[in-house]
Amino acid sequence: DAGVIQSPRHEVTEMGQEVTLRCKPISGHNSLFWYRQTMMRGLELLIYFNNNVPIDDSGMPEDRFSAKMPNASFSTLKIQPSEPRDSAVYFCASRTTTVATEAFFGQGTRLTVV
Amino acid sequence: SQQGEEDPQALSIQEGENATMNCSYKTSINNLQWYRQNSGRGLVHLILIRSNEREKHSGRLRVTLDTSKKSSSLLITASRAADTASYFCATRSPRGGGADGLTFGKGTHLIIQP
Repeated sequence: DAGVIQSPRHEVTEMGQEVTLRCKPISGHNSLFWYRQTMMRGLELLIYFNNNVPIDDSGMPEDRFSAKMPNASFSTLKIQPSEPRDSAVYFCASRTTTVATEAFFGQGTRLTVV
Repeated sequence: SQQGEEDPQALSIQEGENATMNCSYKTSINNLQWYRQNSGRGLVHLILIRSNEREKHSGRLRVTLDTSKKSSSLLITASRAADTASYFCATRSPRGGGADGLTFGKGTHLIIQP
């Protein structure tokens, strides 16, 4: 398996534009997580899905953020409209739902909003 | 809020020395995990210790867990330049509703001087 695949790796966009980040989890993993990493706040859990269903989105900062998982092999995180303070590295991770299992992270998408 | 808090925030040692990092957490846990992040990359799982375990080894890594003090330590023995990275502890999210997302601290940035 190629691991968790995120795209794009880098995204530069203008304030106010819509941004869509994509993630393909590892096949067979039924939990998927979106994280945001900044120097100031560290790694923040934004939302996670179990079996394609959003379980906890309390970490989503604002209504401008939305996430979907239409099937077991694909998820998106959308920011609309984007703002400079959204600049961060966004990570997707997946794992099985067994209690004691590790999470596998993608390489991240570095988002810069100018 | 952060569940796991690592200290020190930064650590610089000479190659060959041992590196010790600590993690404190706030709520009860099923397990605690340590991850490593190289600059510009995603997190990679290192080791998991269950709440009923006190110590665990994996190669040059040694993890301890003290549930009475809500703390864990990661020891890297005989450090190498390639160990230079940020190290994070992760615990199950304290949010309710069956929350299963991992919550990370801000990490310890380890620098191994050659």
